[in-house]
Amino acid sequence: AQRVTQPEKLLSVFKGAPVELKCNYSYSGSPELFWYVQYSRQRLQLLLRHISRESIKGFTADLNKGETSFHLKKPFAQEEDSAMYYCALSVGNDMRFGAGTRLTVKP
Amino acid sequence: EAGVAQSPRYKIIEKRQSVAFWCNPISGHATLYWYQQILGQGPKLLIQFQNNGVVDDSQLPKDRFSAERLKGVDSTLKIQPAKLEDSAVYLCASSFTGGGPYNEQFFGPGTRLTVL
Repeated sequence: AQRVTQPEKLLSVFKGAPVELKCNYSYSGSPELFWYVQYSRQRLQLLLRHISRESIKGFTADLNKGETSFHLKKPFAQEEDSAMYYCALSVGNDMRFGAGTRLTVKP
Repeated sequence: EAGVAQSPRYKIIEKRQSVAFWCNPISGHATLYWYQQILGQGPKLLIQFQNNGVVDDSQLPKDRFSAERLKGVDSTLKIQPAKLEDSAVYLCASSFTGGGPYNEQFFGPGTRLTVL
């Protein structure tokens, strides 16, 4: 069965430092992967999709099929990036979320 | 545009009682999802509707949970009877289409349920 693993529950970096939030998935087919983010007191919202190969708020994520990973990266973290980040895998009608990583960017 | 609406925002009940949650999706969104998010975990899909039909309810505990979307717009999720392990945030989401790599789900604020 498909599964998403986010190995870090908590991640803390200083402002201006690079940040990488890890996501590994298990699925034998072609995955459809997403990153969702929840800022404090806000709703869960889409950050980016792997299919779009986009950079949103300075974040990028590259699908590595060999390592079955979809890590989220940003070269210079900002305090406003502090939030809960969820990696999600869509297979057909089923969307599976990881347990999430809480990112804290310290001043 | 108005976002996904959910009510109530908070609910406290005793075990074996019944509870119902309501969701109104974004206008024009055909697909509606209900998720259960237990503390410390990611959202878990309970049921997905396409208009007023069920697309996927494989993870819905059907002995106690039920959901409907009779007119293809708003939806209700019911738990009867509730158990302690049902304590969670129940999230409703909607999307213009269901599934696919370009699909974007829009989430409501959630209902936090506490079962005592």
